Amino acid sequence: GDSVTQMEGPVTLSEEAFLTINCTYTATGYPSLFWYVQYPGEGLQLLLKATKADDKGSNKGFEATYRKETTSFHLEKGSVQVSDSAVYFCALISSGSARQLTFGSGTQLTVLP
Amino acid sequence: DADVTQTPRNRITKTGKRIMLECSQTKGHDRMYWYRQDPGLGLRLIYYSFDVKDINKGEISDGYSVSRQAQAKFSLSLESAIPNQTALYFCATSDFQSGQGGGDTQYFGPGTRLTVL
Repeated sequence: GDSVTQMEGPVTLSEEAFLTINCTYTATGYPSLFWYVQYPGEGLQLLLKATKADDKGSNKGFEATYRKETTSFHLEKGSVQVSDSAVYFCALISSGSARQLTFGSGTQLTVLP
Repeated sequence: DADVTQTPRNRITKTGKRIMLECSQTKGHDRMYWYRQDPGLGLRLIYYSFDVKDINKGEISDGYSVSRQAQAKFSLSLESAIPNQTALYFCATSDFQSGQGGGDTQYFGPGTRLTVL
């Protein structure tokens, strides 16, 4: 079945540091890939997505590129801010899943001033 | 006002009690979902509904039931709550995008924190 593997956290960085959160997946067909973010006390919200190979999703300075050859969708940001502290979830919808999201376990990011 | 609302936001109950969690949305979406979140496990799908007459079990439906009262309302019930159902519960909605290649965005409510003693 479908699965998503994220790097384990928690991750602690200083402000303005470079961020990478690794995500790899297993899925049938050609899935769509997502990063969702959960700020403290809130629900999840879409951060970015990519629907086909080599697409790059970007939003709020975050980027992720859909790499079919390595089945990866790593999240990156060049300079993190304290306000980026949150839990980040990688997720996918595969063609055989009736549009159900499969989530990774989440990565807690803390950015220190 | 929030597009997806959940009530209650917090609930503490005892083993064996019946509990209902409610979700309402103003986004006009046909598709609604219930997930539970446990530490270190991400979110897991409990039930989903693609329209008022369509209800489907997700990955972890045992011990849960749902009701889709209207396009905008989707309720989750625990008929006889047990302690391992203590978790954070999220409702979500989406609008099927046939041209999106499956890239439907889901919109989440703020969550209900349920504790079963």
